[in-house]
Amino acid sequence: DGGITQSPKYLFRKEGQNVTLSCEQNLNHDAMYWYRQDPGQGLRLIYYSQIVNDFQKGDIAEGYSVSREKKESFPLTVTSAQKNPTAFYLCASQEGALSTDTQYFGPGTRLTVL
Amino acid sequence: GQQLNQSPQSMFIQEGEDVSMNCTSSSIFNTWLWYKQDPGEGPVLLIALYKAGELTSNGRLTAQFGITRKDSFLNISASIPSDVGIYFCAGAIQGAQKLVFGQGTRLTINP
Repeated sequence: DGGITQSPKYLFRKEGQNVTLSCEQNLNHDAMYWYRQDPGQGLRLIYYSQIVNDFQKGDIAEGYSVSREKKESFPLTVTSAQKNPTAFYLCASQEGALSTDTQYFGPGTRLTVL
Repeated sequence: GQQLNQSPQSMFIQEGEDVSMNCTSSSIFNTWLWYKQDPGEGPVLLIALYKAGELTSNGRLTAQFGITRKDSFLNISASIPSDVGIYFCAGAIQGAQKLVFGQGTRLTINP
């Protein structure tokens, strides 16, 4: 089955701990994206990567880090520096690097920091 | 940066009614996308539009790429309970590296 997988679906962490969210795609897409969604809000871009070993900050990158060592994987680390990490995190991918390509989303990870 | 104004923010309708929502921008877009998000899930692509004036249907859903390239519309005919969710528009500008998203329209249907 082709698609984007995010794990886990629900994640609980204590304040002050770093946590890494997984995103994997087997669509052979070049570009991958991380978004944050807060209740009743739209999507805000955290980081994106258009090619392996390269990534760019989005609109709200502070307190987050990413890596893109493999084409199919784009993990997001929520660090202790992120002031308000509790949110729904969405990973997306698209075939090419052009924004006019269609983006497809994973099922999301809901992170709750206690 | 660019912004998309999506309206209405929320809709409360009766089952069987038709629904209309739209997105507008001060910038010209080359692609318009419409997504639906069910609670606790990722957005799912409904319709993609690539040409000004284009009208595309997907079942009971119809979307249009505005002729000015600064707006797009989504219509849902004869709504059913499973249409409940949040609908997002997204636009892409040629040469840009990321999509611009609207704030979403939350659709609630009374049976």
